[in-house]
Amino acid sequence: AQTVTQSQPEMSVQEAETVTLSCTYDTSENNYYLFWYKQPPSRQMILVIRQEAYKQQNATENRFSVNFQKAAKSFSLKISDSQLGDTAMYFCAFMSNDMRFGAGTRLTVKP
Amino acid sequence: DTGVSQNPRHKITKRGQNVTFRCDPISEHNRLYWYRQTLGQGPEFLTYFQNEAQLEKSRLLSDRFSAERPKGSFSTLEIQRTEQGDSAMYLCASFSGTGGYNEQFFGPGTRLTVL
Repeated sequence: AQTVTQSQPEMSVQEAETVTLSCTYDTSENNYYLFWYKQPPSRQMILVIRQEAYKQQNATENRFSVNFQKAAKSFSLKISDSQLGDTAMYFCAFMSNDMRFGAGTRLTVKP
Repeated sequence: DTGVSQNPRHKITKRGQNVTFRCDPISEHNRLYWYRQTLGQGPEFLTYFQNEAQLEKSRLLSDRFSAERPKGSFSTLEIQRTEQGDSAMYLCASFSGTGGYNEQFFGPGTRLTVL
């Protein structure tokens, strides 16, 4: 069974600084997708960034980028120029047919 | 199409009662997923449908839980004889898998409180 591990329950960063959230996963499959989702307090889950496992190039979306290390089964999220609106729970997720989520990292951006 | 919708948004019930939640996915999305999320935790997979076929069920989905997607469009999740441990946010997500949009779109969730 696939498992997703986020080892940082909470993190904080100063506004405009850079922060990296860690994620590791375990699978025997070769084709899959990886995602980072953001869930602001009492709000809907929204996609931050996704990575197809067959692509070697790391995905980027504006201030968000990933470091995908397939052999190490690692998928970290880097947030550059952190903004107050980035404060949220961040979930790493693995998808083949179903989707498995990590326990989440609570990120607080401080002014 | 405004995205995935879920009803009701909140449900308070007494232990032992049955409850039913509804999810309306994005039109033409062929896959629909149900998750349960407790406070401070990540969503836990419950089940998913490909069109009207229920393809996988988690061991979390006890006999008291049943899900349907009768016409391959909306889906319902029913919990019979609710227990206090069923209190959680129930999330629905839909997924297309075509056109390069390999992403699950989540609804706002139904928050269940069992007294």
